[in-house]
Amino acid sequence: DQQVKQNSPSLSVQEGRISILNCDYTNSMFDYFLWYKKYPAEGPTFLISISSIKDKNEDGRFTVFLNKSAKHLSLHIVPSQPGDSAVYFCAASGRGTSYGKLTFGQGTILTVHP
Amino acid sequence: DSGVTQTPKHLITATGQRVTLRCSPRSGDLSVYWYQQSLDQGLQFLIQYYNGEERAKGNILERFSAQQFPDLHSELNLSSLELGDSALYFCASSALPGINEQFFGPGTRLTVL
Repeated sequence: DQQVKQNSPSLSVQEGRISILNCDYTNSMFDYFLWYKKYPAEGPTFLISISSIKDKNEDGRFTVFLNKSAKHLSLHIVPSQPGDSAVYFCAASGRGTSYGKLTFGQGTILTVHP
Repeated sequence: DSGVTQTPKHLITATGQRVTLRCSPRSGDLSVYWYQQSLDQGLQFLIQYYNGEERAKGNILERFSAQQFPDLHSELNLSSLELGDSALYFCASSALPGINEQFFGPGTRLTVL
């Protein structure tokens, strides 16, 4: 039962363009969402988060959008840089889930070409 | 560098053996989480500790156990190891259990032969 899904295993983007990574969830008890970036041989690095009371959160080049009715969130990276090439995971937590547990998607491999 | 440290970085052992993975949280963080990342399962929550006490359990096998010590470091013990236990094991920490942003260590890669 995959409660958080990232349907695109990979995404390839040209440097300077926008990268859009998508994530869908099924559990309506989720009320907090996070994006993590992971390089090979390293642990996931926290990028940005959003509470369900908001529909948008920005931090520099990164913006997360949340559509609660569609149970969908997306991460926009503008402009994309070669150093952004990594695996991106979305994660969710919330009421009714194990306290503090993050449920992760399977990840999307982003490649930014110079 | 997240400030979370994990040792060892790599561990190779045989089936039936027992290993201990160690984690030190970020300075000031009281809550520690363990996750397993295998090829087919992605990142899966195992267990959470807060200030020395177990707070939440995920899909953790009975052969696995963990504890958090008074100095807040945590250990994950894996026993009667099977080939399928080969995975990356990550530790994460947060200031308090209700804080969603968790900061991950570099992981321990366990290979069971």
